[in-house]
Amino acid sequence: EPEVTQTPSHQVTQMGQEVILRCVPISNHLYFYWYRQILGQKVEFLVSFYNNEISEKSEIFDDQFSVERPDGSNFTLKIRSTKLEDSAMYFCASMLAVYNEQFFGPGTRLTVL
Amino acid sequence: DQQVKQNSPSLSVQEGRISILNCDYTNSMFDYFLWYKKYPAEGPTFLISISSIKDKNEDGRFTVFLNKSAKHLSLHIVPSQPGDSAVYFCAASDKSSGDKLTFGTGTRLAVRP
Repeated sequence: EPEVTQTPSHQVTQMGQEVILRCVPISNHLYFYWYRQILGQKVEFLVSFYNNEISEKSEIFDDQFSVERPDGSNFTLKIRSTKLEDSAMYFCASMLAVYNEQFFGPGTRLTVL
Repeated sequence: DQQVKQNSPSLSVQEGRISILNCDYTNSMFDYFLWYKKYPAEGPTFLISISSIKDKNEDGRFTVFLNKSAKHLSLHIVPSQPGDSAVYFCAASDKSSGDKLTFGTGTRLAVRP
């Protein structure tokens, strides 16, 4: 069964460093998302991406964040200068079409020291 | 901003009995609702969804009920199995303003053998 994959599973970085989280969505899906879950809190929307551009972003997704689909398979989230409060589980999701379910990857645990 | 609420943080049910998980929402623009199951260190797994034009959707042991006037949905699992033990999230979206999912805080279900 097709699935969303994410790498790495765990990333540890120093405050101020850049990180890139990688995702491979399900191959025929057209809509792509990043969410995050800070420990003990709810899953929060970060950004949605369709047709090679951001379609919506949350207040969390400030200038330090960017997304890219550099080729036909990968979907990346970059945090330019990480802060302690960026420590969270980051989930990538993809969706085939509107009014469909979003399928989530296993997540990347980001720890900022 | 708690547009989607799950007021029961935990629920314990005997194997074979019915599990009922509840979710309330405040945003009347939400028109698509989903339930996800999540195990520790994994991403949310889609279970079942319902559009606002329906009041019930069934898939095997899982049934979702939507009461639009009360802004309430529930997930029924019958019969409950130990493998159902996980955290269950309800999520909602408003297609007119994008596909982002707004999640509840989750209910931890424990099914006792």
